[in-house]
Amino acid sequence: EPEVTQTPSHQVTQMGQEVILRCVPISNHLYFYWYRQILGQKVEFLVSFYNNEISEKSEIFDDQFSVERPDGSNFTLKIRSTKLEDSAMYFCASTKDLGQSYEQYFGPGTRLTVT
Amino acid sequence: DAKTTQPPSMDCAEGRAANLPCNHSTISGNEYVYWYRQIHSQGPQYIIHGLKNNETNEMASLIITEDRKSSTLILPHATLRDTAVYYCIVRGPEGKLIFGQGTELSVKP
Repeated sequence: EPEVTQTPSHQVTQMGQEVILRCVPISNHLYFYWYRQILGQKVEFLVSFYNNEISEKSEIFDDQFSVERPDGSNFTLKIRSTKLEDSAMYFCASTKDLGQSYEQYFGPGTRLTVT
Repeated sequence: DAKTTQPPSMDCAEGRAANLPCNHSTISGNEYVYWYRQIHSQGPQYIIHGLKNNETNEMASLIITEDRKSSTLILPHATLRDTAVYYCIVRGPEGKLIFGQGTELSVKP
């Protein structure tokens, strides 16, 4: 069964450093998402991406964040200058279509630890 | 904000049915109800979704009231591996999922 994959599973970085989190969505999916979950808190939407453009972003997704689909398979989230409060699990998700009958599938997540 | 409300926690005996309720009184006519679950800090796992008819798949059943203001997720024979946080979500038009706090289901031997 196809699945969303994410790398690395755990990333440790120092405050102020840039990090890139990588995702490979399911191959025939067209819509891509990033969510994050700070330890002990709920899952929060960050950004949605379609047709090489951001279609929606949350207040969390400020200028320090960017997303890119550099080739036909990868979908990345970049944080330019990490802060301690960026420490969280980051989940990538994808869906085939925006029709209401299409479910979103999540990857296993990347645990980002900023020290 | 999430458009759903769920009890924060529930217990269920292993082998019994787990019935998880959800209120979504402001749901629009064309919005689906989705259920996901999250085990520890793993990625949310899709379970089932529905519009107005009851739905069943290999994981669970979804019962939606006639007025669509509430629904119940049923795990027919809960196992210890079903211990997780269960989220009831009304999905937004751009596809984003707005998670609430969910229901923490503990399946006990």
